[in-house]
Amino acid sequence: EAGVTQFPSHSVIEKGQTVTLRCDPISGHDNLYWYRRVMGKEIKFLLHFVKESKQDESGMPNNRFLAERTGGTYSTLKVQPAELEDSGVYFCASSQRWGNEQFFGPGTRLTVL
Amino acid sequence: AQKVTQAQTEISVVEKEDVTLDCVYETRDTTYYLFWYKQPPSGELVFLIRRNSFDEQNEISGRYSWNFQKSTSSFNFTITASQVVDSAVYFCALSGFNKFYFGSGTKLNVKP
Repeated sequence: EAGVTQFPSHSVIEKGQTVTLRCDPISGHDNLYWYRRVMGKEIKFLLHFVKESKQDESGMPNNRFLAERTGGTYSTLKVQPAELEDSGVYFCASSQRWGNEQFFGPGTRLTVL
Repeated sequence: AQKVTQAQTEISVVEKEDVTLDCVYETRDTTYYLFWYKQPPSGELVFLIRRNSFDEQNEISGRYSWNFQKSTSSFNFTITASQVVDSAVYFCALSGFNKFYFGSGTKLNVKP
């Protein structure tokens, strides 16, 4: 069974540009989560989808971040326009149900110059 | 408030030593889950264990063991006879309703 996949693995952009991160969860997992880890800090929750609906987006830092999950399958996280403080590793995770272990993707390392 | 504290930023041990990674959590939920994840140098987060709030039994899996104590809100992780391959960042996490709260991680260096 394929795990959670994320694309790209690494993205380097300039301040003011737009970047879109993609996450493909494990097949059959209705719950999809986005997290971010800024260098040396804790991994912070961004938002949670149940199928195509946003269950909780309280962790989204500001309106420059937009997450979508079309058809309840893969999800995208768009940052527009990117700022220096957006640099970090963005993790996606999926689970079958709340409380179950979340399976994480390898992360996308975003560097904003 | 929900919070996970891993006070140990970095630990270095010599191979075959035992090491304990501390995790203290705060929650007002009566039902919650606790987790440990390992992040090796390759970067992915690898699930190690899940414990629900009603199960305070300690667990042992090979060289790994976990001590869950609700009285002190702690969920500590011990590696017995550490090996170089155990070198990684270890994260403790608390699952409240729909959210995971991670600690800041403890970097473990196991030297040969």
